[in-house]
Amino acid sequence: AQSVTQLGSHVSVSEGALVLLRCNYSSSVPPYLFWYVQYPNQGLQLLLKYTSAATLVKGINGFEAEFKKSETSFHLTKPSAHMSDAAEYFCALNQGGKLIFGQGTELSVKP
Amino acid sequence: ETGVTQSPTHLIKTRGQQVTLRCSSQSGHNTVSWYQQALGQGPQFIFQYYREEENGRGNFPPRFSGLQFPNYSSELNVNALELDDSALYLCASSLATRENIQYFGAGTRLSVL
Repeated sequence: AQSVTQLGSHVSVSEGALVLLRCNYSSSVPPYLFWYVQYPNQGLQLLLKYTSAATLVKGINGFEAEFKKSETSFHLTKPSAHMSDAAEYFCALNQGGKLIFGQGTELSVKP
Repeated sequence: ETGVTQSPTHLIKTRGQQVTLRCSSQSGHNTVSWYQQALGQGPQFIFQYYREEENGRGNFPPRFSGLQFPNYSSELNVNALELDDSALYLCASSLATRENIQYFGAGTRLSVL
């Protein structure tokens, strides 16, 4: 069965520091992978997507993610955190048209 | 702004009641998916509609049902509400492609008392 695991339910960084949010997946077929962000009391906003083209994917708000097949990973990074990045982040895998989500990682940014 | 709108934004019901949630999809999209997000959890797939037909269903009982209309808008109906149905219900629209990139609305927060 396909699945998504996000390591760390909560990550805290200082403003200006590197952001690294981890996502590992399990899939028997080449995956389509996504990162979404959810601000408090809001829906999900698409940050970026991997659809089997370039393995390094750039998204909105300075985020990027690298698809590593050998490690079955799709970690999300941002070189310099901003206070406005504080939110819940979800990694998701497309399985036959439906999205399978990880449990989410809450990112806190300290001034 | 994704162009996906959901109504109402908040809803309070009592156990045993029925509820209907609505979703207007992004212009040009022909597929609508519904998800339930319990507090502190990732969204769980309920079902998907493509051209007015159910096109996949998650592990939810039959009292969760849906419709898609010719304009591709959609409804989620839940009968015999239970306390555990309290959650954020998210609608996502997409094109029926292999990537199936889904764009979400802001959700409907349902509280069952």
